[in-house]
Amino acid sequence: AQRVTQPEKLLSVFKGAPVELKCNYSYSGSPELFWYVQYSRQRLQLLLRHISRESIKGFTADLNKGETSFHLKKPFAQEEDSAMYYCALSGQTDKLIFGTGTRLQVFP
Amino acid sequence: NAGVTQTPKFQVLKTGQSMTLQCAQDMNHEYMSWYRQDPGMGLRLIHYSVGAGITDQGEVPNGYNVSRSTTEDFPLRLLSAAPSQTSVYFCATRTGEQPQHFGDGTRLSIL
Repeated sequence: AQRVTQPEKLLSVFKGAPVELKCNYSYSGSPELFWYVQYSRQRLQLLLRHISRESIKGFTADLNKGETSFHLKKPFAQEEDSAMYYCALSGQTDKLIFGTGTRLQVFP
Repeated sequence: NAGVTQTPKFQVLKTGQSMTLQCAQDMNHEYMSWYRQDPGMGLRLIHYSVGAGITDQGEVPNGYNVSRSTTEDFPLRLLSAAPSQTSVYFCATRTGEQPQHFGDGTRLSIL
């Protein structure tokens, strides 16, 4: 079965601190992994997808097939990074399966 | 291009009432889907469509109907609203290998 696990509901850090939002997945084939971000009362926006291997707003994420993880990292958090972050998986069925989300709070 | 347009943005219903949440897209995307977002549960797929005339159930389809008569529109119908359907509903579209585009959401409260 396809499943995405985000173990942290809330992650609070101070500005300038490193951030790591955890995401683990369960999928028998070769999945495509995404990170979506939702700022307060706005639509979900794509932040990263693993196949593009790019850095957006200073965030990076590496797919680790051995650990079935796709953790989101940023070396220096900014206040404007405060948002809800969702990890998502897409398999052969084209459906997008979301984790339960992690709220990131960055304090000044 | 407007992208993905959801109407209404807010709605309050009484238990047992029916209504339709509209989703329209002008990007000619073949794939459209409906999600509900609830605290602590993330986004859960309700129904989806891979093209006009084709729909299928997602993770939480009970209490909802959909149809896809055109590429542009994918309405979500609540036939008899229940308080458990209080949620924020998002429509999303996709084409090919591109990631999904989301609408602004509809905040629905059922009393």
